[in-house]
Amino acid sequence: GESVGLHLPTLSVQEGDNSIINCAYSNSASDYFIWYKQESGKGPQFIIDIRSNMDKRQGQRVTVLLNKTVKHLSLQIAATQPGDSAVYFCAEKDYGGSQGNLIFGKGTKLSVKP
Amino acid sequence: DADVTQTPRNRITKTGKRIMLECSQTKGHDRMYWYRQDPGLGLRLIYYSFDVKDINKGEISDGYSVSRQAQAKFSLSLESAIPNQTALYFCATSRQGPDTGELFFGEGSRLTVL
Repeated sequence: GESVGLHLPTLSVQEGDNSIINCAYSNSASDYFIWYKQESGKGPQFIIDIRSNMDKRQGQRVTVLLNKTVKHLSLQIAATQPGDSAVYFCAEKDYGGSQGNLIFGKGTKLSVKP
Repeated sequence: DADVTQTPRNRITKTGKRIMLECSQTKGHDRMYWYRQDPGLGLRLIYYSFDVKDINKGEISDGYSVSRQAQAKFSLSLESAIPNQTALYFCATSRQGPDTGELFFGEGSRLTVL
């Protein structure tokens, strides 16, 4: 079946460095992608989204890149801060049997070293 | 106050017991969801509802049932809990319409089945 996966389960970066979190997707029919951040003890929170007619979108300190050729999604966090420590999930919108519901990847844990 | 409220936040129960997790929202969204989160498996969809009269099974609905009592309330039941239903459960809401992929999550309900 189709799945959304992550290249790395954990990522450790130094405070102030840039972080890159990667995600591979396999459903070629997906045309909408979202990144979520989940802090310890909380529910996931929306960070940024991108549609398949774009290859880059920027937010505040975050950039999402979409490469449809290789079905790859990445989240870049500039000047990573301790408050960025969390688990990050990518999600794709599935236009198959679940009426366009999101399918989530397994998550990458980002740890920021002071 | 949280826009999506889940109760209880923590629950320990025994095998065979009936458990209900409740979710209420003040966002005015039509769509509500129940997800289950297990370590290393990301978020998996249990049930979803696009309006009060609409209930749909998600990826892992076996052993669960739901009730949409009102636009703002969506409850998840485990009729006879078993240990492998030990997990963190999240309720979420979203707006109706195309390309409205952003989900708003509650804080989660941690369920332990002994």
